[in-house]
Amino acid sequence: DGGITQSPKYLFRKEGQNVTLSCEQNLNHDAMYWYRQDPGQGLRLIYYSQIVNDFQKGDIAEGYSVSREKKESFPLTVTSAQKNPTAFYLCASSIDPGGSTGELFFGEGSRLTVL
Amino acid sequence: AQSVTQPDIHITVSEGASLELRCNYSYGATPYLFWYVQSPGQGLQLLLKYFSGDTLVQGIKGFEAEFKRSQSSFNLRKPSVHWSDAAEYFCAVGAGNTPLVFGKGTRLSVIA
Repeated sequence: DGGITQSPKYLFRKEGQNVTLSCEQNLNHDAMYWYRQDPGQGLRLIYYSQIVNDFQKGDIAEGYSVSREKKESFPLTVTSAQKNPTAFYLCASSIDPGGSTGELFFGEGSRLTVL
Repeated sequence: AQSVTQPDIHITVSEGASLELRCNYSYGATPYLFWYVQSPGQGLQLLLKYFSGDTLVQGIKGFEAEFKRSQSSFNLRKPSVHWSDAAEYFCAVGAGNTPLVFGKGTRLSVIA
């Protein structure tokens, strides 16, 4: 089945550690996105990539990093510089590189808890 | 830049009652408008979208939404709510070559 796979679903991290969240898609979509979700805050865009080997900062990129070496993969690293990393992270993709006109397909999310 | 406001944080309706979730957007031209639904601990699923044409759009699960340019609104409706509709609902707006902007969501509770 085509779709987006995020792993791990749950992750615990000690303060000061970096952690990488995986996002893989087999939809052959050009664009991929990372959103952060906190209660009452909706979805906030962290990073997005419209094409391989290129990515753009979203609204809350500080403390995060990404790479896009392959079309199907867009991993997100939460670094120790992120002051409040505990959150639910959602990865999405769209066939439209701009993202504004097409449907976003979402993974099931990764919940990160910093102990 | 575009923005989205969902005025209601939490709504409770009785099963079988009608539902309307409000969404207001801010954008200079006609935007692309979307409604997504999220079950607890899951990703988001597209309910419906508006690009142009007929201002009343039909979606999945019996939902519909109406685009009203004069009110900058795109409210989501359902004639009769089922207990399985309990979830969080997000309105989103797209414009130009930029990613979608989401509202903060409305949580729907359904009581018997």
